[in-house]
Amino acid sequence: AQSVTQPDIHITVSEGASLELRCNYSYGATPYLFWYVQSPGQGLQLLLKYFSGDTLVQGIKGFEAEFKRSQSSFNLRKPSVHWSDAAEYFCAVGAGGTASKLTFGTGTRLQVTL
Amino acid sequence: NAGVTQTPKFQVLKTGQSMTLQCAQDMNHEYMSWYRQDPGMGLRLIHYSVGAGITDQGEVPNGYNVSRSTTEDFPLRLLSAAPSQTSVYFCASRAGGPTDTQYFGPGTRLTVL
Repeated sequence: AQSVTQPDIHITVSEGASLELRCNYSYGATPYLFWYVQSPGQGLQLLLKYFSGDTLVQGIKGFEAEFKRSQSSFNLRKPSVHWSDAAEYFCAVGAGGTASKLTFGTGTRLQVTL
Repeated sequence: NAGVTQTPKFQVLKTGQSMTLQCAQDMNHEYMSWYRQDPGMGLRLIHYSVGAGITDQGEVPNGYNVSRSTTEDFPLRLLSAAPSQTSVYFCASRAGGPTDTQYFGPGTRLTVL
């Protein structure tokens, strides 16, 4: 069965600093990988997704993620964080190589200090 | 285009009561799913549907029933609510292609006393 690990429960960064959120997955075949963001009291919004091809994926709001098969990782990055980026971030893998049945990590809460 | 809508936004039940969480989408998506979100556990799949008349169990199906009589609607039923079902419930939908994005509704916060 597939699984996702987000080792950082809570991260605090200063506004303008760079950000990297870690995600490790376990899946037997080529994974479909996703990053979602959830603002307080809101639903989930897709930031970016990886299915195949270029291992560096660009998303919305200036985020990017890099798929590294050798490390089973799909880390999310942003070069300069804005206060509005404060939210919870979830990494997910699509079961069976599809985007239908998602397995989520436990999330990383990002706090941004001014 | 309203996307994925869920009602109610908040609900408080007593143990043993029944209720239905409503989910609708206006994007003509084939796939619909229900997830629950609990603190420190991320989202877990309860049930999903690959089309009208077809449903299947996810990771945590016990205590929940679903049906899919139309493409648009995918209600989640709690027949006898338990405190362990206190959670935030999210409905999601996606089109039929393997790489299509899954869109989430705003959620229903359920408390079972």
